[in-house]
Amino acid sequence: DADVTQTPRNRITKTGKRIMLECSQTKGHDRMYWYRQDPGLGLRLIYYSFDVKDINKGEISDGYSVSRQAQAKFSLSLESAIPNQTALYFCATSGRGNTGELFFGEGSRLTVL
Amino acid sequence: GESVGLHLPTLSVQEGDNSIINCAYSNSASDYFIWYKQESGKGPQFIIDIRSNMDKRQGQRVTVLLNKTVKHLSLQIAATQPGDSAVYFCAEKVNTGFQKLVFGTGTRLLVSP
Repeated sequence: DADVTQTPRNRITKTGKRIMLECSQTKGHDRMYWYRQDPGLGLRLIYYSFDVKDINKGEISDGYSVSRQAQAKFSLSLESAIPNQTALYFCATSGRGNTGELFFGEGSRLTVL
Repeated sequence: GESVGLHLPTLSVQEGDNSIINCAYSNSASDYFIWYKQESGKGPQFIIDIRSNMDKRQGQRVTVLLNKTVKHLSLQIAATQPGDSAVYFCAEKVNTGFQKLVFGTGTRLLVSP
């Protein structure tokens, strides 16, 4: 089983719909992240959380919100999806060590029509 | 500003050849660098890392070289195999108070049998 699990893996939706992407991890890590990946661009940070009570905006948080329901769960919501939010979304975790190593999920491909 | 770029978007090699993937970074204060491999349909996976107090680090069939003078990072893969075909990302850790990783846009490595 994957250490970082994302659901759904693929989703097609329409403009204006509310979408939630979920992430759960079994690594016991405190830190969780949501990234977005677009063709030709690197991974861009949307939100990150260092523990259940700590939520922070990343580079591109507009149009997104998150919820850290538990240490192991971090969900990303698009309140009103728009076509330019079509992308591949990755959840990641990291431990408290001083390295920057991130452990990624398999990705959630979202298409907004 | 913070940016991490790659010189070659696609690299094609023959099986058995050595591959070199290059990366330029712009933040001289970055103290930690990581290479990730992303196979089709999967999330990025850690390959190797290097701290700024080193100029070379070796793993199994992979070597990372860091040239801080010209702010250049490279990943060398020895005896490249078809299973090495993937997109490779470099990332630098920027000290902004937390482990912010800035990712490059990626290089696609294609290995022909």
